[in-house]
Amino acid sequence: ETGVTQTPRHLVMGMTNKKSLKCEQHLGHNAMYWYKQSAKKPLELMFVYNFKEQTENNSVPSRFSPECPNSSHLFLHLHTLQPEDSALYLCASSHDGTRNEQFFGPGTRLTVL
Amino acid sequence: SQQGEEDPQALSIQEGENATMNCSYKTSINNLQWYRQNSGRGLVHLILIRSNEREKHSGRLRVTLDTSKKSSSLLITASRAADTASYFCATDKEGSTLGRLYFGRGTQLTVWP
Repeated sequence: ETGVTQTPRHLVMGMTNKKSLKCEQHLGHNAMYWYKQSAKKPLELMFVYNFKEQTENNSVPSRFSPECPNSSHLFLHLHTLQPEDSALYLCASSHDGTRNEQFFGPGTRLTVL
Repeated sequence: SQQGEEDPQALSIQEGENATMNCSYKTSINNLQWYRQNSGRGLVHLILIRSNEREKHSGRLRVTLDTSKKSSSLLITASRAADTASYFCATDKEGSTLGRLYFGRGTQLTVWP
């Protein structure tokens, strides 16, 4: 799990708060992903970045705002979330967008009050 | 939807027994992958099988792929309590170069000592 790190591991926030999730990969990969995992639902892809360019936004509400300053770092900025946004947020990376074995971080457990 | 569907949803066995999980998907693929997730943690890549392969082994894992039936199976032999986890299959789409994976809801495997 040390190849992809995520901070914080747990986050509790109110609906009016602004917070950010951070992901860092130490694998020399060029593609990074944000996923949302809710109970009893399949893993939902949120965003894909390939060589720092966003290549996919899977109809994610604007209260989630990704940022990818370089190939090693990925952020997810959170603003005015809803209780139904409570979930495990997973970051992953892969060599690039074509070789798709993905390496996941441990996740951030988010609770929105 | 392309997403894989695992079957069964839950499987409970004794240590030493074999565990078999199945995955079905809907459209043609380049490859299929299996991942494992311990409770509340990130996913760990286990094995990738390409569409032109029928069987692949890795340690105690055996994966089969039947593209005519659009299905795959994951066999864990001589299971151990430490194998307790959720197991997910993930598929891409044939011809896709974006690295997007489609995950199922997973099989929850419990191995009793």
